[in-house]
Amino acid sequence: DSGVTQTPKHLITATGQRVTLRCSPRSGDLSVYWYQQSLDQGLQFLIQYYNGEERAKGNILERFSAQQFPDLHSELNLSSLELGDSALYFCASSYRDRYNEQFFGPGTRLTVL
Amino acid sequence: ELKVEQNPLFLSMQEGKNYTIYCNYSTTSDRLYWYRQDPGKSLESLFVLLSNGAVKQEGRLMASLDTKARLSTLHITAAVHDLSATYFCAVLGGKLQFGAGTQVVVTP
Repeated sequence: DSGVTQTPKHLITATGQRVTLRCSPRSGDLSVYWYQQSLDQGLQFLIQYYNGEERAKGNILERFSAQQFPDLHSELNLSSLELGDSALYFCASSYRDRYNEQFFGPGTRLTVL
Repeated sequence: ELKVEQNPLFLSMQEGKNYTIYCNYSTTSDRLYWYRQDPGKSLESLFVLLSNGAVKQEGRLMASLDTKARLSTLHITAAVHDLSATYFCAVLGGKLQFGAGTQVVVTP
């Protein structure tokens, strides 16, 4: 158990809908990272937040957005969902920045029907 | 853009034998990670390699880093069934860039 928690574990929804994924980092960690894992794209970095502020952006679609709250938990919002958005979404956290080791949560499996 | 290549992508191992997974990367970095992922599960950190010549060992797994060659290897000694999983290397550039993963299946 890495100490990073994610909810929900599974999410099934329809195309065009909007969902929110939640992540709580390890105690003391200030950075949160979101990743998408799919069979065709592999593990892709989406976005990083550090102490409430966006720090780095990766291959995140405009339909996706994220934020980190004052208690350091983070939410990833996915809207206008498409079939291709079906994937495992992981949250990771680290003490400070990307130079610190990242610890991964259990993931949320999103299925878009 | 940093590219990370792992090979092989699939490795069928016989119990008791030794094998190596290779991780090549395209631009300078001095920070490389190895992760293990069981099917449908999260990524578990195995090793953090921080400098040229770094070698780390845990049980039957040993990882090394050659920053000049931009190459890391994950060596598996005397494979056992419990090592069946997908192994990822990840290299730190502007972001953590993952390789495609090596799916390892260990059979008797």
